[in-house]
Amino acid sequence: AQSVAQPEDQVNVAEGNPLTVKCTYSVSGNPYLFWYVQYPNRGLQFLLKYITGDNLVKGSYGFEAEFNKSQTSFHLKKPSALVSDSALYFCAVRDPVISNFGNEKLTFGTGTRLTIIP
Amino acid sequence: DGGITQSPKYLFRKEGQNVTLSCEQNLNHDAMYWYRQDPGQGLRLIYYSQIVNDFQKGDIAEGYSVSREKKESFPLTVTSAQKNPTAFYLCASSPGGRNQPQHFGDGTRLSIL
Repeated sequence: AQSVAQPEDQVNVAEGNPLTVKCTYSVSGNPYLFWYVQYPNRGLQFLLKYITGDNLVKGSYGFEAEFNKSQTSFHLKKPSALVSDSALYFCAVRDPVISNFGNEKLTFGTGTRLTIIP
Repeated sequence: DGGITQSPKYLFRKEGQNVTLSCEQNLNHDAMYWYRQDPGQGLRLIYYSQIVNDFQKGDIAEGYSVSREKKESFPLTVTSAQKNPTAFYLCASSPGGRNQPQHFGDGTRLSIL
């Protein structure tokens, strides 16, 4: 069974400093990995995805993520944090097994609350 | 603008009452999903539908029901059998294909009166 772990419930970073939000995964084959962001009382917004190819993926709002197969990790990073980056971040993995219709469920981590301190 | 519309934004349920949450999308997506979000638990899948007139149970389907009569619409009914319905409910859709992200609505917050 697929699973995702976000080991930190809360991450605090000073404005202007680099940030990292950690994610590790477990799947039976090659994973499809996603990062989403959620602002208060809103839905999730897609940030970036890793499907195949370059291990460093660039996404929206200056975020990037590094896929590391040996460590089964997909950490979200940004070189310089903004106060507006404060939100709840979710990592998600898609089961690589193909279903009858080619769509599979996403399994989400429990989320990491990122707070950027001015 | 294309997107997913969930209504109402806030909903209150009385004891023994069924309530229906609306989800409409104009993205022409084939697949639609319902998730429940509780603090500290992430998102848990309730039901999903990959095509019209077909849907499958997710991880926590007990006490919920859905229909998919139109491609654009995927309403969720929270029945009286769901004993702990207080949560934030999120609807999502995707165009199909394993490499496609899901797009989310802005959610409905359900509370018990």
